[in-house]
Order: sequence, then structure tokens, then C-alpha cells
Amino acid sequence: GAVVSQHPSWVICKSGTSVKIECRSLDFQATTMFWYRQFPKQSLMLMATSNEGSKATYEQGVEKDKFLINHASLTLSTLTVTSAHPEDSSFYICSATGAGVPYEQYFGPGTRLTVT
Amino acid sequence: AQSVTQLGSHVSVSEGALVLLRCNYSSSVPPYLFWYVQYPNQGLQLLLKYTSAATLVKGINGFEAEFKKSETSFHLTKPSAHMSDAAEYFCAVSGGTDKLIFGTGTRLQVFP
Repeated sequence: GAVVSQHPSWVICKSGTSVKIECRSLDFQATTMFWYRQFPKQSLMLMATSNEGSKATYEQGVEKDKFLINHASLTLSTLTVTSAHPEDSSFYICSATGAGVPYEQYFGPGTRLTVT
Repeated sequence: AQSVTQLGSHVSVSEGALVLLRCNYSSSVPPYLFWYVQYPNQGLQLLLKYTSAATLVKGINGFEAEFKKSETSFHLTKPSAHMSDAAEYFCAVSGGTDKLIFGTGTRLQVFP
């Protein structure tokens, strides 16, 4: 149980275009979803926290107009990287809570974004 | 506020040897503590968690960790390393909210 999926698993896009990444909780209702960014050989950096039906809360230094987060339902959150540039290339991971165990996050498999 | 320190960015052991990955935490409230493992190009998989019950926590794949409040530590151990244990390991703390604070990670290498 408590499975989180991400789509796509990898994506290549041209500089200046936008790309959307989906995060779904498959077998539970996610009260809260998180978006992380991970650079090679580094730890996870929390970008934002989202609750269903509410605006996302962004961490300091994260551009909310560049990284648009929508948490439209209890099983789906999306991250849209707008006007992507090569420096946005990274590994993006989502996670979700709400499967019954307090404070335990269930992680998706990640999405590798490459901007050319 | 919460923080996590993982001592040693790289740990190398021989197959069959003891694995010890160190994690110290700081928390102003009783913490929830987690160990996650990450294989290349994959998400994080939960190994084990401490949620204020038993201080010795057993997880998957033969790993265990002991919560020591006096030492503010939550070190991860495994009696006998296997080649498949080679991965990145992250310690994380939650201080009463859903937000996790991660350590910088420890890369475990296992040599035959």
C-alpha cells in the first residue's frame, strides 16, 4: 500500500518551453503533497508543500511563478516548470502524506528533467 | 527547529562486514526519525522509522536503528553487508509537522 507514482519518469524539453510533471497517490488520499528537487550527488531540497484545494506554500528562494504547483484533488498534484532553462535540469521527486501514519512521507520514483 | 547531521558522506565496507551509518539530530520537540534508501535514478524507499515507541527499530532488508535520546542519535546498522546494499542513505527528522528535514546523505559502497 501507499504507492505514489510520477509521470513522466524522464523528459527532455527545449529551453523556453514549459513542462508538467504529475504526482499521483494510487491507493490513498494524500492530504499533503511535497515537491523536492535533487541535484546530482546531493540531498533533497524541499521546493513546496501543497494541500488539496489550497495554494502551495513555497520554500524560501523558490520562484513560485516559475514552478507552478496545483493540487486539484486528493490524489493528484502537478508541478509545471514554466519557461524552462538548462539550469532547471534536475531530478524532481514528489511525496505524499495521508496514508494513516503520522508524518510519514511516501515518495514517488522521481522525474528526470533535461532542458536543452 | 529541527536539523539532521549525517557523519561521513561516503562509507565503504566489505561484503559481510558490519554497516554503520551515523545520524545525529536536533529537535525542539520529540522527534519522528526516518531512514530512507535511494538507488540511482529512483525515488526514496523507507527503511525504517522511529515514532516514539520502541527505541530499537527494525526495518527492511535486515537494517535496524536505535534511538538514543541522550546522544541525540539514530544510527543505522546492518550486521552483514550485501552487494545490493550499495546505495545512498538519508536520515530525516520530523518535529511534529508533515515537513521532513533531510540529512546530506551517505553513499554506501560494498566491496566483494
